Amino acid sequence: DAKTTQPNSMESNEEEPVHLPCNHSTISGTDYIHWYRQLPSQGPEYVIHGLTSNVNNRMASLAIAEDRKSSTLILHRATLRDAAVYYCILRVWVSNFGNEKLTFGTGTRLTIIP
Amino acid sequence: NAGVTQTPKFQVLKTGQSMTLQCAQDMNHEYMSWYRQDPGMGLRLIHYSVGAGITDQGEVPNGYNVSRSTTEDFPLRLLSAAPSQTSVYFCASSYRVGGINEQFFGPGTRLTVL
Repeated sequence: DAKTTQPNSMESNEEEPVHLPCNHSTISGTDYIHWYRQLPSQGPEYVIHGLTSNVNNRMASLAIAEDRKSSTLILHRATLRDAAVYYCILRVWVSNFGNEKLTFGTGTRLTIIP
Repeated sequence: NAGVTQTPKFQVLKTGQSMTLQCAQDMNHEYMSWYRQDPGMGLRLIHYSVGAGITDQGEVPNGYNVSRSTTEDFPLRLLSAAPSQTSVYFCASSYRVGGINEQFFGPGTRLTVL
């Protein structure tokens, strides 16, 4: 399975943009890039996903490198509520069932400084 | 919608005891899965199901059984609890539409095996 590499931790000031990097040099052409985050003492929650083009939604933006070997999750204006562990995940197809499973790494722990 | 619900929130077992962790979703999702999260680590997939009557093993299935008799419910059974199964358990569900599935996670069950 293709793997992802993320920094263990990052800090950012409140109300400033945050760029969370992810390397996935062995990504295959059909792998989607998913981002989830896990707030303290909660289950993970979906943030965003993409394949080749940059993506925006109400929570964040996803910038994908042209060669798809890396991506960056962008939080445009961090708040204290954004303090969480952020997981960059490549979707793995479960070919016999035609569905998918997510393989979580250890993620990046984001600390927001007031 | 209640989303994904899990019971109990906390459980303490003695080695050798058995128990069932409950998971239910009210979103008519086909895909359901169980993960465990050990301290300081990412989530690891235990078992998953793509519909009623269909289950398969994930990354760490030993010591756990699952069944899926209805779309809504996906219980996880610990046959003979061991201290190594002390962990936080998360249930997740998602649509099965074209393979681009946002997964919804429950709040987790914190299990301690003495």
